[in-house]
Amino acid sequence: QSVLTQPPSVSGAPGQRVTISCTGSSSNIGATYAVHWYQHLPGTAPKLLIHSNTNRPSGVPDRFSGSKSGTSASLAITGLQAEDEADYYCQSYDSSLSAWVFGGGTKLTVL
Amino acid sequence: VQLQESGPGLVKPSQTLSLTCTVSGGSISSGGHYWSWIRQHPGKGLEWIGYIYYSGSTYYSPSLKSRVSISVDKSKNQLSLKLRSVTAADTAVYYCARGLYYYHSREYYFDYWGQGTLVTVSS
Repeated sequence: QSVLTQPPSVSGAPGQRVTISCTGSSSNIGATYAVHWYQHLPGTAPKLLIHSNTNRPSGVPDRFSGSKSGTSASLAITGLQAEDEADYYCQSYDSSLSAWVFGGGTKLTVL
Repeated sequence: VQLQESGPGLVKPSQTLSLTCTVSGGSISSGGHYWSWIRQHPGKGLEWIGYIYYSGSTYYSPSLKSRVSISVDKSKNQLSLKLRSVTAADTAVYYCARGLYYYHSREYYFDYWGQGTLVTVSS
C-alpha cells in the first residue's frame, strides 16, 4: 500500500483531457511538501514531467500541467496523444516516514 | 547525462545484493546533485532506498537503513548499492537516479534516471 494514492488506471481518446490524482495526508502533501510527477514506459528510464508542484522541465510539452490543493495533487494532460500511453507516478516527502515516497502509479491508456 | 545500472541479476537469499551505476555526460564530483537508488517491486510502485552526495554524505530510508549502504567512486564516476541479507521481498527492478535536493523544504526530485536492472532473489 503506497503512502500516496493514485488511481490504478485512467483512459481517454486522442485529443481529450485526462487528469491523474495523487492523494496524500497531513504528513506529506498536506504538510506543503512539493509534489513531482514522472512518466514511465516499462523497460525505459522514467522521465521527470513536473517538479515542485507545477513546474515543467525544459522539453516537456505544455500539454502536461500539475496542480496541488490540500492533501492532493493532480497531473493534467490535454490533447492526448498515443505516445502519452505510459505509467505515471507522483512523488513527495513524508515527515512521518522521514523518506521520499511515491504513489502506486497510474496506467494511462489512450483509446 | 546518462546513467547505467549493472550487476548480478540473481542473488541468493541471505546474501548481499551489489549494484553499480555508471554516470556519463556529467561528473558526480561537480556537486549540486544527490544521487539515489530507487526500486520497483514487480507490479508495484516505486520505493526510494537512499541517496549519496559526492562528498560521501548519505541518507537512507529508515525502512532499509539497517541493511543498506551506498558509496561513490569519483575516479570512476560511479555510485554503488549494497543491500545485505536479502530475501525474496527484495526482488525488484533497481534504478539509479540523479536528484536535485533543497534541504530546508525537503524538496527532492529526480531529473535523470537509468533504465533499471532486474534483480531476482532466489536460491
